[in-house]
Amino acid sequence: KAGVTQTPRYLIKTRGQQVTLSCSPISGHRSVSWYQQTPGQGLQFLFEYFSETQRNKGNFPGRFSGRQFSNSRSEMNVSTLELGDSALYLCASSLEGGLLNTEAFFGQGTRLTVV
Amino acid sequence: GQQLNQSPQSMFIQEGEDVSMNCTSSSIFNTWLWYKQDPGEGPVLLIALYKAGELTSNGRLTAQFGITRKDSFLNISASIPSDVGIYFCAGGGGNKLTFGTGTQLKVEL
Repeated sequence: KAGVTQTPRYLIKTRGQQVTLSCSPISGHRSVSWYQQTPGQGLQFLFEYFSETQRNKGNFPGRFSGRQFSNSRSEMNVSTLELGDSALYLCASSLEGGLLNTEAFFGQGTRLTVV
Repeated sequence: GQQLNQSPQSMFIQEGEDVSMNCTSSSIFNTWLWYKQDPGEGPVLLIALYKAGELTSNGRLTAQFGITRKDSFLNISASIPSDVGIYFCAGGGGNKLTFGTGTQLKVEL
């Protein structure tokens, strides 16, 4: 069974640009969550999608957005990039997520560097 | 953003020793998960706990869901060099995971 796949693995962007990251969850998993990991702030929750709907959102500015497709694949977009957006972006998939909080499995992440 | 209090922050132990780390929160969680993360990789799930008081083992790893639902601990017995890495606890509730600050484990041969 394939794991969670995130693309690309590495990305370098310039301040002011926008970026789109992709996540393919484990087959059959319907919940996809996104997290930002930085040395200073640790792992911070961005948002969670289930059945193409955003169910929960963390405390990030509106420049961070996401969506989920009918096949459960998800994308997140960051517009007007800032140096502080440099981080490892992690995607996690689970069967149902939400109140059931079944096990969440992470992808390898996308390392975004903003210069 | 919120992070759970995880301790110790780092540990430097001898191979063969037992390790213990814990996580505390001011909030109640429905689930507790423990992850290990190697450099440049995503966290890998080690143990999942779903019920207050639950004690679960996975090989040399044992974890418990605190009875108050506000804490959890992870024990690693007879540590080996490949146990090196950063261990995170995560509390589940409200459609998201809240992570601990991490415990960096270093094992001396």
